[in-house]
Order: sequence, then structure tokens, then C-alpha cells
Amino acid sequence: GAGVSQTPSNKVTEKGKYVELRCDPISGHTALYWYRQSLGQGPEFLIYFQGTGAADDSGLPNDRFFAVRPEGSVSTLKIQRTERGDSAVYLCASSLGQGQSSIQYFGAGTRLSVL
Amino acid sequence: AQTVTQSQPEMSVQEAETVTLSCTYDTSESDYYLFWYKQPPSRQMILVIRQEAYKQQNATENRFSVNFQKAAKSFSLKISDSQLGDAAMYFCAYRNQGGKLIFGQGTELSVKP
Repeated sequence: GAGVSQTPSNKVTEKGKYVELRCDPISGHTALYWYRQSLGQGPEFLIYFQGTGAADDSGLPNDRFFAVRPEGSVSTLKIQRTERGDSAVYLCASSLGQGQSSIQYFGAGTRLSVL
Repeated sequence: AQTVTQSQPEMSVQEAETVTLSCTYDTSESDYYLFWYKQPPSRQMILVIRQEAYKQQNATENRFSVNFQKAAKSFSLKISDSQLGDAAMYFCAYRNQGGKLIFGQGTELSVKP
């Protein structure tokens, strides 16, 4: 596609529910990143995929968070037993490679609200 | 661990004037990249400019330029001839050798007509 696409753009859920957030990267981009942006803060790294495998998942806050990228393209971020503190904008980015010079292109994010 | 600090939560500039946004960072790495991203209300992060640490020459992109002081670990963004469309949140970011971006807290820029 022309850019990084994230769906849904907004998600409202109740505490304790399960949610899935989808990211469709730019075609041909092998690297994919998830970040979380709390209100008034800069984005914080969650996880990074190179191809199908998670190259770095050190930013996942706990085992309620999980992400997959089974075919090396679309990725899904999954959150189990949501808590009010999970409310944030979840941003996805993709890049052509994993090198430091590779530019990360961002989607518009999914705003998750946990009531 | 690397950290990025933006000490100006808010800045304001008159249209057509020049404004400078500050950023400092901390790292023990010698090779890295620095970025400035713009985030309008649409939420999508847009790359403004990037700097390679091993290059002494400051990066420039049209009205946007940086003042990169490697020894001082400072990376400020200068916007010349400010336009109304420049109003947004601006984030300074460091890219480490592992590939992830580390962002500062952001500076909200307003442009007065």
C-alpha cells in the first residue's frame, strides 16, 4: 500500500476484555515496529519484527501483551485482560530494512480506550 | 541505556519568524542516527529531518535545519520562515544500534498569524 495502515483507528473496550490491533506495513518493508504513546508523552518502543520473527520484544510491559507477524507482512498486537492503564495510542511503523539509516514510516495509530 | 530529553513542553513563534527546538540525549554508542518527527493532530508521525552521528555537517531540509553538537550530545531543530502548517508536536528521537527509536517527551509548537 501507499503507507502504513492501522485498524481500527479507534477502539473502545471494557476492562478485562481481549483486543487485537492490526498493522499493514508498506509493501516490501521487512522491518515492523510497535510503539505505545500515552497522553502527553513520546512513543515508547514495544516490539520489533524482522520478517516473521520478533527481533526485540523487550518493550512489552507484561505477558498480557503479545504480537505476531505470521507471513512477514501484516502484524497484530494482542492485549489480553485489558486494564485501564492500557489506554493509549498504539503506533505501528515499518522500514525497508533494519539498518540504522532506514527510515521508519508510521501509521496514524489506534487509539485504545479501556473503560 | 539511551535517553532523550526535550526540555521545552511548549513553544510559540510568529508566522514567518524563526524558532529553535532543543533536544539533548545520552548514549555510550559512537554510531547512531538522530531524527526529528512532527506529529499533527492526525497522530501520524512525519519525518522532518535526520542526522548521522558520524557526519559533522549539519543536516538541512528546506526550511528545517539542525544544530548537531556531538560532544555536547545536543541536537536542536531550527525552523525558518515558520508557517501555520508547522504547528504540531515535535519529537526528537534517537535510533540505537538495535534499531528501535527512543523518543523525547515532545515540544508543542504553536504558530501565531
